Amino acid sequence: DAKTTQPTSMDCAEGRAANLPCNHSTISGNEYVYWYRQIHSQGPQYIIHGLKNNETNEMASLIITEDRKSSTLILPHATLRDTAVYYCIVRPAANFGNEKLTFGTGTRLTIIP
Amino acid sequence: EPEVTQTPSHQVTQMGQEVILRCVPISNHLYFYWYRQILGQKVEFLVSFYNNEISEKSEIFDDQFSVERPDGSNFTLKIRSTKLEDSAMYFCASSRGGAGKTQYFGPGTRLLVL
Repeated sequence: DAKTTQPTSMDCAEGRAANLPCNHSTISGNEYVYWYRQIHSQGPQYIIHGLKNNETNEMASLIITEDRKSSTLILPHATLRDTAVYYCIVRPAANFGNEKLTFGTGTRLTIIP
Repeated sequence: EPEVTQTPSHQVTQMGQEVILRCVPISNHLYFYWYRQILGQKVEFLVSFYNNEISEKSEIFDDQFSVERPDGSNFTLKIRSTKLEDSAMYFCASSRGGAGKTQYFGPGTRLLVL
């Protein structure tokens, strides 16, 4: 699986957009970009994923560069409840035996009141 | 919205004892997983399970570990003889399958081995 690089920590003011970058320069054509977050020691929470196109759902937007070597997760109006560790994970599409997620250390996002 | 549930939320056991951690995956999901997270460390993959057999396991998942889907709803992780270093949060996850295979995680079981 491709390796990802994320900043260790970031702060964002409440109500502002939080933009979390992820570098995945070795991503291959059949690999998706997934974002999860973990609040304290709770179970990782799925946020969004994408392959090539930008994606948006009720939680966030995912912007993937044209060369797919990096992406940005955008939380449009951050609240205090968005304080968490955010993980960017690259994984292959549906291939038997490649289902596991490989978590890195993620970005610790702190929302400042 | 369907969720993965896990029981118990906390488990304290003595070294050498057997523990069984239980998970109820989302009902129409076909793929099941266990992960663990030692305090302050990364979330680590343990095992994936599909069609009543293990499809992949990590080096952590040695002979002391086993998984089972004893009925149509539960998915269990058994640790036969617990060690101090098994103390961790254990997360169950499930996915539907198909392109993408988004995994949804349960809230975890905190296991403390004394």
